[in-house]
Amino acid sequence: KAGVTQTPRYLIKTRGQQVTLSCSPISGHRSVSWYQQTPGQGLQFLFEYFSETQRNKGNFPGRFSGRQFSNSRSEMNVSTLELGDSALYLCASTWRTGHTEAFFGQGTRLTVV
Amino acid sequence: GDSVTQMEGPVTLSEEAFLTINCTYTATGYPSLFWYVQYPGEGLQLLLKATKADDKGSNKGFEATYRKETTSFHLEKGSVQVSDSAVYFCALYPPNAGGTSYGKLTFGQGTILTVHP
Repeated sequence: KAGVTQTPRYLIKTRGQQVTLSCSPISGHRSVSWYQQTPGQGLQFLFEYFSETQRNKGNFPGRFSGRQFSNSRSEMNVSTLELGDSALYLCASTWRTGHTEAFFGQGTRLTVV
Repeated sequence: GDSVTQMEGPVTLSEEAFLTINCTYTATGYPSLFWYVQYPGEGLQLLLKATKADDKGSNKGFEATYRKETTSFHLEKGSVQVSDSAVYFCALYPPNAGGTSYGKLTFGQGTILTVHP
């Protein structure tokens, strides 16, 4: 069974630009969560989607948004990029909301210059 | 709110040494507890888990026991290898997740483990 796939693996963007990251969950998994990982703040929860609905959102500005498609694939978007948005963005999938075992992708390394 | 505290690192050991990484948590009720491992340049891999008090999770020689009385979930391994060098994260998932808990794992700050030959 294929794991969680995130694309692209690496991105370099300029301040003020926007970026879209993609996550394909494990087949049959319907819940997708996103996390931001930085050396200073550690792993922080961004949002969670289930059946195309955002069920939960972390404490991030509105520049961070996401969506989920009918095939459970998810995208997150960051608009008006800032230097502080440089981070590893991780996606995790679980079979259903509330199911505790989350499987993570390899992440997308975003660098804002 | 929920929180997880890991022992401050980094931890440096010689091969075949005994490993303990402390983890304590604050949460209401009985959360599910996890240890994840992150190798350089990679995402997180689930190492082991425990979902109720006194459960012992184990995998690849690593063990951790869910201790409700001390709100702890310490990670141990009897004999570490160079290949165990990585960052280890303790995490919790709240019980009866709903509302602001959906899909939200709370992580500790991570402990860097380096094992020398």
